[in-house]
Amino acid sequence: DQQVKQNSPSLSVQEGRISILNCDYTNSMFDYFLWYKKYPAEGPTFLISISSIKDKNEDGRFTVFLNKSAKHLSLHIVPSQPGDSAVYFCAASDANYGQNFVFGPGTRLSVLP
Amino acid sequence: DAGVTQSPTHLIKTRGQHVTLRCSPISGHKSVSWYQQVLGQGPQFIFQYYEKEERGRGNFPDRFSARQFPNYSSELNVNALLLGDSALYLCASSVTGGAFGYTFGSGTRLTVV
Repeated sequence: DQQVKQNSPSLSVQEGRISILNCDYTNSMFDYFLWYKKYPAEGPTFLISISSIKDKNEDGRFTVFLNKSAKHLSLHIVPSQPGDSAVYFCAASDANYGQNFVFGPGTRLSVLP
Repeated sequence: DAGVTQSPTHLIKTRGQHVTLRCSPISGHKSVSWYQQVLGQGPQFIFQYYEKEERGRGNFPDRFSARQFPNYSSELNVNALLLGDSALYLCASSVTGGAFGYTFGSGTRLTVV
């Protein structure tokens, strides 16, 4: 029973264009969401987060949007750069889960020069 | 500053054997969490320790155990290894174990043959 879903296993985008990575969740108790980026042979690194009291959070080229009614969030990367090529994980947490995270299966982003 | 360090980086074990994985958190971080990442899936929560006490446990069999030492380093032990235990084992540390400030190590790649 996947509580966090990333239905696109992979995504290819041209350099300079927008990358949009999607994530859906089923547990309405989730109240904090994060995106992690993972390069091969490295651990996941934190990218950006959003709490359920917000619907948007920006950090430089990265913006996360949260639609609570649809239980959906998305990560926008503008403009995309070749160095953004990595696997992106969406993760969710709720206070009752002991502040640990449920991760989605990841989306592999390839930014083509 | 050293990040989260995990040892060994790679390990090959035979079915039925026992394995111990080690993690040293970032200096000042008192919480350590362990995750299992099977190929093609997102990390799955195994344990969290804070101030040497177990704070959370994921849906893993009793063959999995962990502990945290006075210096906040941690060990993950897996008994009676199965082929399905082959995965990347990730350790993450944070100051308090809360939703902020998770830093992952590069992981230990365990192969069970």
